[in-house]
Amino acid sequence: LAKTTQPISMDSYEGQEVNITCSHNNIATNDYITWYQQFPSQGPRFIIQGYKTKVTNEVASLFIPADRKSSTLSLPRVSLSDTAVYYCLVGDNYGQNFVFGPGTRLSVLP
Amino acid sequence: DAGVIQSPRHEVTEMGQEVTLRCKPISGHNSLFWYRQTMMRGLELLIYFNNNVPIDDSGMPEDRFSAKMPNASFSTLKIQPSEPRDSAVYFCASSRDRGDLNGYTFGSGTRLTVV
Repeated sequence: LAKTTQPISMDSYEGQEVNITCSHNNIATNDYITWYQQFPSQGPRFIIQGYKTKVTNEVASLFIPADRKSSTLSLPRVSLSDTAVYYCLVGDNYGQNFVFGPGTRLSVLP
Repeated sequence: DAGVIQSPRHEVTEMGQEVTLRCKPISGHNSLFWYRQTMMRGLELLIYFNNNVPIDDSGMPEDRFSAKMPNASFSTLKIQPSEPRDSAVYFCASSRDRGDLNGYTFGSGTRLTVV
């Protein structure tokens, strides 16, 4: 499994754009990059997945450079309710199990 | 769809007692996972099932832990005897397939406190 590294914590203010970068230097050709979000007292939930370039949905955008050794989760105009832990995971779609790292604890301040 | 349903939401028990956690996966999901979350160790995968068969239990901490999946709609995680260090939030998750990276759905968890 490709190892991922992301900041332990980040602070932001309401209305700002937040970018969380994840490093995955040994990502394999078949690996996808997936981000999960965990609110306090809840289980993690899927927010976005990508393979290369840019993916956007109603929640976030995911930017992946050509070498795919890193990825950036972008949350536009965060609100207090975006305070959560964000996990970056890397793996293929052929049976690898999810191993969650410590994630990035995002605190959105008023 | 009601999602992954776990029970109980909270459990407080005395050291040495048996604890049983329950999980109902999403209908049609073939894979089921049990995770444990603590501040110190984060989210740890304990065991996962595929089509009701345990595939990998290497994450189960010791023989005091056991998990079963008698049918596609029900799984249990049992701790016997329980110890204070077992205190944690236990999550159950299911997916269509174990490789379905964007389809893991987690339950709300069971917060276990062993005193």
